[in-house]
Amino acid sequence: AQTVTQSQPEMSVQEAETVTLSCTYDTSESDYYLFWYKQPPSRQMILVIRQEAYKQQNATENRFSVNFQKAAKSFSLKISDSQLGDAAMYFCAYTGANSKLTFGKGITLSVRP
Amino acid sequence: NAGVMQNPRHLVRRRGQEARLRCSPMKGHSHVYWYRQLPEEGLKFMVYLQKENIIDESGMPKERFSAEFPKEGPSILRIQQVVRGDSAAYFCASSPSLAGAGYNEQFFGPGTRLTVL
Repeated sequence: AQTVTQSQPEMSVQEAETVTLSCTYDTSESDYYLFWYKQPPSRQMILVIRQEAYKQQNATENRFSVNFQKAAKSFSLKISDSQLGDAAMYFCAYTGANSKLTFGKGITLSVRP
Repeated sequence: NAGVMQNPRHLVRRRGQEARLRCSPMKGHSHVYWYRQLPEEGLKFMVYLQKENIIDESGMPKERFSAEFPKEGPSILRIQQVVRGDSAAYFCASSPSLAGAGYNEQFFGPGTRLTVL
């Protein structure tokens, strides 16, 4: 069975600074996808970024980028130029052949003005 | 194009009552997934359905919970004889038909917050 681990329950960053959120996973599959989702207080799940395991290049979406280390099964999210609107819960997630998403426990990110 | 719709957004039930949660997928989507989020936890997979078929229900509790996705109408997650431990946010996601290998993005609804008194 696949597992996703987010060991940091919360982090804080100063506005305009950079923060990195950690995630590790375990799987025996060779073909899979990894995601970071944002959940603001509204509880809506918002896809932030996606990484395909067969792609060596790290995904980027504007201020969001990932550091994907396949051998180490590590998938961290870097948020550059943090903004107040980035404050939310962030979930790392995995999907493989069975299509269902497996989520980590999440990390609460606060942004200090 | 409307997103995934869930209703009600908030549902309060007393212990022993039934809860019915509805999910209307995005237009053109024929795959529906239900997830449950307990307080301070991540989302946990419950069930995966296509029209009129349950594909994977490995995350569903063995008793009191059932799900359907009829040919016409929304998907329904039904919880019979609710208990306090069922209090959670229930999210539905939909995706288009799978076309060969690869990933189809799941689009999430806003969730239904169930409170059992």
